[in-house]
Amino acid sequence: DSGVTQTPKHLITATGQRVTLRCSPRSGDLSVYWYQQSLDQGLQFLIQYYNGEERAKGNILERFSAQQFPDLHSELNLSSLELGDSALYFCASSALAGARTDTQYFGPGTRLTVL
Amino acid sequence: QQQVKQSPQSLIVQKGGISIINCAYENTAFDYFPWYQQFPGKGPALLIAIRPDVSEKKEGRFTISFNKSAKQFSLHIMDSQPGDSATYFCAASKGGNTGKLIFGQGTTLQVKP
Repeated sequence: DSGVTQTPKHLITATGQRVTLRCSPRSGDLSVYWYQQSLDQGLQFLIQYYNGEERAKGNILERFSAQQFPDLHSELNLSSLELGDSALYFCASSALAGARTDTQYFGPGTRLTVL
Repeated sequence: QQQVKQSPQSLIVQKGGISIINCAYENTAFDYFPWYQQFPGKGPALLIAIRPDVSEKKEGRFTISFNKSAKQFSLHIMDSQPGDSATYFCAASKGGNTGKLIFGQGTTLQVKP
């Protein structure tokens, strides 16, 4: 158990809908990362928040947005869902902001299925 | 553009054998190279990591070999065990003030008893 929790574990929804994925980082970790894992694209970095502020952005679609709240939990919002958004979404957390100083611990993921 | 290329895509090894997974990167600004292990239904977990100022790092049966001039690094699993059967991802990061990781495509390892 990494100490990172993600809810829900599974999510099935229809095209055009909007969903929210939630992540609670390990106690004391200030950074939260979101990654998308699909069969054809592998693990792709979406976005990083550090202590409530956006720190880095990857190839995140404009239909996707995220935020980190004062209690450090994070939410990833996916809207106008398309079939191609079906994937595993992982949240990871680390103590600080940079990879050279700390390890990223991954949660168990949320499996999103868009029908 | 795939900045980290990983091979092979899948690998079958007999118990007790050596498993070797290779990665190549393009961006010379990368300065942190971790390997993650992922079991079915679980999130990736850090296995071992290396920085470019060393050519090799060993932790138990797992060794990373790093060749800075060739921009390549590899994971060696000695005395492979059935419990090592998992998907392995190499990754790279530029460090600085972000921990953004760029992952390879993954290698599915099966260790046969």
